[in-house]
Amino acid sequence: ETGVTQSPTHLIKTRGQQVTLRCSSQSGHNTVSWYQQALGQGPQFIFQYYREEENGRGNFPPRFSGLQFPNYSSELNVNALELDDSALYLCASSQMGRSYGYTFGSGTRLTVV
Amino acid sequence: GENVEQHPSTLSVQEGDSAVIKCTYSDSASNYFPWYKQELGKRPQLIIDIRSNVGEKKDQRIAVTLNKTAKHFSLHITETQPEDSAVYFCAASVWGADGLTFGKGTHLIIQP
Repeated sequence: ETGVTQSPTHLIKTRGQQVTLRCSSQSGHNTVSWYQQALGQGPQFIFQYYREEENGRGNFPPRFSGLQFPNYSSELNVNALELDDSALYLCASSQMGRSYGYTFGSGTRLTVV
Repeated sequence: GENVEQHPSTLSVQEGDSAVIKCTYSDSASNYFPWYKQELGKRPQLIIDIRSNVGEKKDQRIAVTLNKTAKHFSLHITETQPEDSAVYFCAASVWGADGLTFGKGTHLIIQP
């Protein structure tokens, strides 16, 4: 059974640029959610994808967008990067309709300069 | 939306003693309450979870209790060991309808 994998592990971007982060869900999982974790804080829910559609969203502006692919992998896109977007971005997968629990990936550390 | 409060922010206990971390939530529709352990620079790891149709769940040295009426749930760790030192997060969600809302975390320090 493979776990949740995220790429890249680290990234440095300039304010105003755009970034795409990637996540492969755990084998057998059909749902992917994304979280932003600032230093010293708890993860904040960005959005969740189930069957390639967004089915829940936290308090994040539209410049945070995502996709889920038929193989259940997912992308998080952030446009017009701001300094405050610097954080650890975590992806979590789950199996809606079958079992409970989210499995987290190791995250992508994004630094905006 | 859901709001989760977690206390204390830091907890220091002697090795072998028990540790208790408490959380409250605001949305009575929430029905899934996991606890995660996060070591420095690593991913959150699920250590135990509870659903709203259960009042208590235990797994070896770890237990979670849920009081739906008062909207609070607690993590209990007995016979603490040095490897229990980490940041612990509680979370709540309406399973299947939304993501997890996390508390701010508790830094647990086990003193030798």
